[in-house]
Amino acid sequence: LAKTTQPISMDSYEGQEVNITCSHNNIATNDYITWYQQFPSQGPRFIIQGYKTKVTNEVASLFIPADRKSSTLSLPRVSLSDTAVYYCLVGEAGSYQLTFGKGTKLSVIP
Amino acid sequence: NAGVMQNPRHLVRRRGQEARLRCSPMKGHSHVYWYRQLPEEGLKFMVYLQKENIIDESGMPKERFSAEFPKEGPSILRIQQVVRGDSAAYFCASSTRDVNIQYFGAGTRLSVL
Repeated sequence: LAKTTQPISMDSYEGQEVNITCSHNNIATNDYITWYQQFPSQGPRFIIQGYKTKVTNEVASLFIPADRKSSTLSLPRVSLSDTAVYYCLVGEAGSYQLTFGKGTKLSVIP
Repeated sequence: NAGVMQNPRHLVRRRGQEARLRCSPMKGHSHVYWYRQLPEEGLKFMVYLQKENIIDESGMPKERFSAEFPKEGPSILRIQQVVRGDSAAYFCASSTRDVNIQYFGAGTRLSVL
């Protein structure tokens, strides 16, 4: 199981772009990278998943360099409602045991 | 399309009582998972079920904990003879066959007095 490392916390002002980087040096060939968001007193919410290069959806972008040893979740123009914990998960396609670390606590400041 | 529904949202039990946590998966999802989250920690996998079958319960304590997902009705996580250490948030998730994209409920917060 590839171990992930991400910052414990980050602060950002409203309207800024936020980039959260996750290190996964031992990522395996069959592993995908998935990000979840969790608000206080809520369950995690799937944000985005990727294997390589760049993936974009209506919520975020995920940048994965060629060596795949890290990935960056990019949130454009954050608002106060983006204050949450963001988790980076690495796992094989078909792996159902999601492994959550402590995540990155993002605080958006007005 | 309703999401994953868990109830109750909060449950208070005294030591030695039983706790029953319910989870109705998203419509069209036949795969259900239970996770436990302790304060300031990430979620930890407990069990994976499909209709009437336990696929993997490797994350569940061997004693006092059980889970089911009957043919009709919600999935149930049952904790017998609760102890203070069982106090946590319990989350249910569901998925289609794409098992590594899971949709979570809002959780049940169990407090054992």
